Amino acid sequence: EVQLVESGGVVVQPGGSLRLSCAASGFTFDDYTMHWVRQAPGKGLEWVSLISWDGGSTYYADSVKGRFTISRDNSKNSLYLQMNSLRTEDTALYYCAKTRAPYSSGSAEWEFDYWGQGTLVTVSS
Amino acid sequence: NFMLTQPHSVSESPGKTVTISCTRSSGSIASNYVQWYQQRPGSAPTTVIYEDNQRPSGVPDRFSGSIDSSSNSASLTISGLKTEDEADYYCQSYDSSNGVFGGGTKLTVL
Repeated sequence: EVQLVESGGVVVQPGGSLRLSCAASGFTFDDYTMHWVRQAPGKGLEWVSLISWDGGSTYYADSVKGRFTISRDNSKNSLYLQMNSLRTEDTALYYCAKTRAPYSSGSAEWEFDYWGQGTLVTVSS
Repeated sequence: NFMLTQPHSVSESPGKTVTISCTRSSGSIASNYVQWYQQRPGSAPTTVIYEDNQRPSGVPDRFSGSIDSSSNSASLTISGLKTEDEADYYCQSYDSSNGVFGGGTKLTVL
């Protein structure tokens, strides 16, 4: 059974930093591109970042570019999101999401099939 | 970057059919696959349609997806509505370096 468990969400002041983690199990982690997606309270879904299976390619939404860094440790089946220079508008539930097909399929890098339950980040003074 | 625009809300009666639209602001809707996700209150999203019109295993065939190049839009159609279909629905697509979600549509089954 695929499981994605996020952690690390806390209350942090504007300008602060935070590192989110996502522990993956139930699939061959290093075969899959992974994503972070967030959802502000009462709002819609917003894509945040992508990392390829080997960490060689990363992409970011314009709203977080230059402040957030996505990374992964395939030996630990873990995905991370380092968040710096946090703003109040970064307040959201942060989900990690797995892509539908392995990288060897050559497709589905942007199609999500499993999501974690999310970890809440609150940026407030 | 492009945007995906959805109606804020739709409502329909049980047993009826409802269609939710998703219009791409620039670039062709056919150039990148469209996915649809269902999100019930307090839960993570789940996929109901991927690659424009494919249903994951376990999703009933009451759910179907399509794209229309003439209107540059995608659609999610749910037939035989059940009260359990009441949820938020999001379309999603991408380009070479960005994922994009629609703003979401709240489906009320009353």
